[in-house]
Amino acid sequence: GIQVEQSPPDLILQEGANSTLRCNFSDSVNNLQWFHQNPWGQLINLFYIPSGTKQNGRLSATTVATERYSLLYISSSQTTDSGVYFCAAANTPLVFGKGTRLSVIA
Amino acid sequence: EAGVAQSPRYKIIEKRQSVAFWCNPISGHATLYWYQQILGQGPKLLIQFQNNGVVDDSQLPKDRFSAERLKGVDSTLKIQPAKLEDSAVYLCASSLRTGGAPNTEAFFGQGTRLTVV
Repeated sequence: GIQVEQSPPDLILQEGANSTLRCNFSDSVNNLQWFHQNPWGQLINLFYIPSGTKQNGRLSATTVATERYSLLYISSSQTTDSGVYFCAAANTPLVFGKGTRLSVIA
Repeated sequence: EAGVAQSPRYKIIEKRQSVAFWCNPISGHATLYWYQQILGQGPKLLIQFQNNGVVDDSQLPKDRFSAERLKGVDSTLKIQPAKLEDSAVYLCASSLRTGGAPNTEAFFGQGTRLTVV
């Protein structure tokens, strides 16, 4: 089945810094999603982005389907951005990477 | 629009006991998933339903886990008997996906945190 790899596994940022999270997947997919898992364990949908670029406030994502990777950009990070970011890819069903644990310190 | 509802939020049981989790997907969503998330790992699929039929249960430990989705709406996941290694968060998700259509966006419930002691 499809393999999903995320990097880096851990990231510590000063508040206000920018960051880029990467997701590589092993096969062509027709669904790619980015999630933020908050400290209470809830998976919050960030982007549904099988291809192209989307932006939502300080967050944006780009998926290059032909090269099998996706990037999540976080600009001007805030302490509330802390948590684990998951990429999940699929033809069916969603397969998750191991996540990137982000800590934003004031 | 109401999200995916799960209950209970937390459960503590002793090993060898049984436990059941309930999920109500977003209205109109044909596809329902149960995932298991062990601490420090990404969620792993246990079972996928489309309407009331099973699409994929290849990773469900069928000797102790069972799931059903009666009438193609609500679903229950049961563990009997529980083992210590079943301690995890159990997440339910749903999506609109129907028939041969491409995957559509999946939405997750808040999860049930199970501790087996």
